[in-house]
Amino acid sequence: EVQLVESGGVVVQAGGSLRLSCAASGFSFGDYAMHWVRQAPGKGLEWVSVINWDATETYYADSVKGRFIISRDNNKYSLYLQMNSLRNADTALYYCAKDTGSGTYLFDSWGQGTLVTVSS
Amino acid sequence: AIQLTQSPASLSASVGDRVSITCRASQDISSALAWYQQIPGKAPKLLIYDASTLEPGVSSRFSGSESGTDFTLTVSSLQPEDFATYYCQHFNHYPTTFGQGTRLEIK
Repeated sequence: EVQLVESGGVVVQAGGSLRLSCAASGFSFGDYAMHWVRQAPGKGLEWVSVINWDATETYYADSVKGRFIISRDNNKYSLYLQMNSLRNADTALYYCAKDTGSGTYLFDSWGQGTLVTVSS
Repeated sequence: AIQLTQSPASLSASVGDRVSITCRASQDISSALAWYQQIPGKAPKLLIYDASTLEPGVSSRFSGSESGTDFTLTVSSLQPEDFATYYCQHFNHYPTTFGQGTRLEIK
């Protein structure tokens, strides 16, 4: 059974930094692209970033480009999101999501999310 | 970026009803559309991809169709566990985007 468990969400001041983690299990982690998707309180879903299987390609939503960095450690079955220069608008539940392949942008498994609150 | 417009924004229905939700894309996305279900407090769940292909394990009450840039999710004979928010998503190129969601409530 695929399991994705996010951690690292806290209350942080605007302008601060934070690193989210996602621990994966139940599948061959290194074979799949992985994503971060966020959901602001009471709002819809927003794709944030993707990393391919071997971390040679990364892409970001315009809203986070230049501030967030996605990375992975296939040996540790882990996905990360380094979040810098945080803004109030970054307040959201951050989900780790598994791609169905090498970058289909289709998400067949999700974690339970970790809440990031940016305060001013 | 491609815009996806869902309608209606909310919908009230009864157990046993048949309901449909529409998602209109701002340009051709070549059937690269998925539907997700999100129950309050839970993560989204993939229901349908490629506009009409049911994800394994998903009830056959759910079906998807397309006509040009218009896509429809239909739920036949609503069950209590179907009351949730539904999102469409295009995935044919970067950046992927979601519709704003349709909240399906019990009448």
